[in-house]
Amino acid sequence: AQKVTQAQTEISVVEKEDVTLDCVYETRDTTYYLFWYKQPPSGELVFLIRRNSFDEQNEISGRYSWNFQKSTSSFNFTITASQVVDSAVYFCALSEAENRDDKIIFGKGTRLHILP
Amino acid sequence: ETGVTQSPTHLIKTRGQQVTLRCSSQSGHNTVSWYQQALGQGPQFIFQYYREEENGRGNFPPRFSGLQFPNYSSELNVNALELDDSALYLCASSLGEGVEQYFGPGTRLTVT
Repeated sequence: AQKVTQAQTEISVVEKEDVTLDCVYETRDTTYYLFWYKQPPSGELVFLIRRNSFDEQNEISGRYSWNFQKSTSSFNFTITASQVVDSAVYFCALSEAENRDDKIIFGKGTRLHILP
Repeated sequence: ETGVTQSPTHLIKTRGQQVTLRCSSQSGHNTVSWYQQALGQGPQFIFQYYREEENGRGNFPPRFSGLQFPNYSSELNVNALELDDSALYLCASSLGEGVEQYFGPGTRLTVT
């Protein structure tokens, strides 16, 4: 069964603090993709990153970094030196490559509040 | 390059009515997927269209139907609306399989 779990429903941190959003996934496929999306109050889903299951290298993009660990089925997202503009709902998601369609299975999201 | 656009932005309908939502895919993209996002939840896959054919479907009843046109734009139709159909409907386009899906701003549907 495919499943994405984001255990943190809501997180509040003070600006400039670092924050990590947790994501645990379940899949039977050996080839799959993991994603993070950001959803600001406007509602549009903003693509942040896609990793395939064969690439376990951590990635850093500016203040954002991602830690992919297949051994624990986790794909965590860290924001360093958070800013108020980072306030949004963040979704972790999974897509199985063996599916005919590319349906993306989303977690329930983590609402992040960055306090000034 | 034009991104994914959706219309209308907001819509209010009465239970039992029918609704059509529209999506224009990003330039050059031949695949469109539709998702339903209920309040406080993650998006859920409704179906996907690839070159005008349905290419996969999630766990939604047949009263949810769709179309994709030769220009790859798409429609989502929902018949016999129910209160639980109130949600943000998101359209995503991509170029083929296994690549990033780019989402539109969504249509917020309220069923009263």
